Amino acid sequence: NAGVTQTPKFRVLKTGQSMTLLCAQDMNHEYMYWYRQDPGMGLRLIHYSVGEGTTAKGEVPDGYNVSRLKKQNFLLGLESAAPSQTSVYFCASSQREGAYNEQFFGPGTRLTVL
Amino acid sequence: GQNIDQPTEMTATEGAIVQINCTYQTSGFNGLFWYQQHAGEAPTFLSYNVLDGLEEKGRFSSFLSRSKGYSYLLLKELQMKDSASYLCAVMDSNYQLIWGAGTKLIIKP
Repeated sequence: NAGVTQTPKFRVLKTGQSMTLLCAQDMNHEYMYWYRQDPGMGLRLIHYSVGEGTTAKGEVPDGYNVSRLKKQNFLLGLESAAPSQTSVYFCASSQREGAYNEQFFGPGTRLTVL
Repeated sequence: GQNIDQPTEMTATEGAIVQINCTYQTSGFNGLFWYQQHAGEAPTFLSYNVLDGLEEKGRFSSFLSRSKGYSYLLLKELQMKDSASYLCAVMDSNYQLIWGAGTKLIIKP
């Protein structure tokens, strides 16, 4: 099992460019999440999904869009990148929501917006 | 607002014991998680506490006091590979994880 994979691993964008980050999981998990991690701050939830075809906003959704067309994939899109979106992006998945909800993380995508 | 506090950085000696504290104020409580994150890598799950008391798992133990909004992660017999950041996260009433900024643990020989 590969677990949670993310592509690409690194990316440099210019302001205003767009891109899509892909997350894939092979654990048949219902729940998937996109976080960003910035120095000195905790992980912040961007968007999440509770199942195929569903998405919901997290703490910091502005400037991002997501889609969950297939259960195993969760895409994060940046339509017009800004320097404030320079960050490390982590995708995670979990089997279910509820009190015990261990999340499994992908290796991260390091994005720089110039 | 919701808040998770943990020290920014700690230093300890190989073979010793270290305690990393976490205090929280959240809207509701559905459990507290500790994750380990090595530099440049993804967080990985260490422990989960939902009831008061100590949970032991090998060299690592985690303690919770819900009345005090307090948890700690105890690492014994420290090894160089334990050098990492340790993230405290609380699941709130909406079953969302609220994350602390993490504690960077430096192990010296």
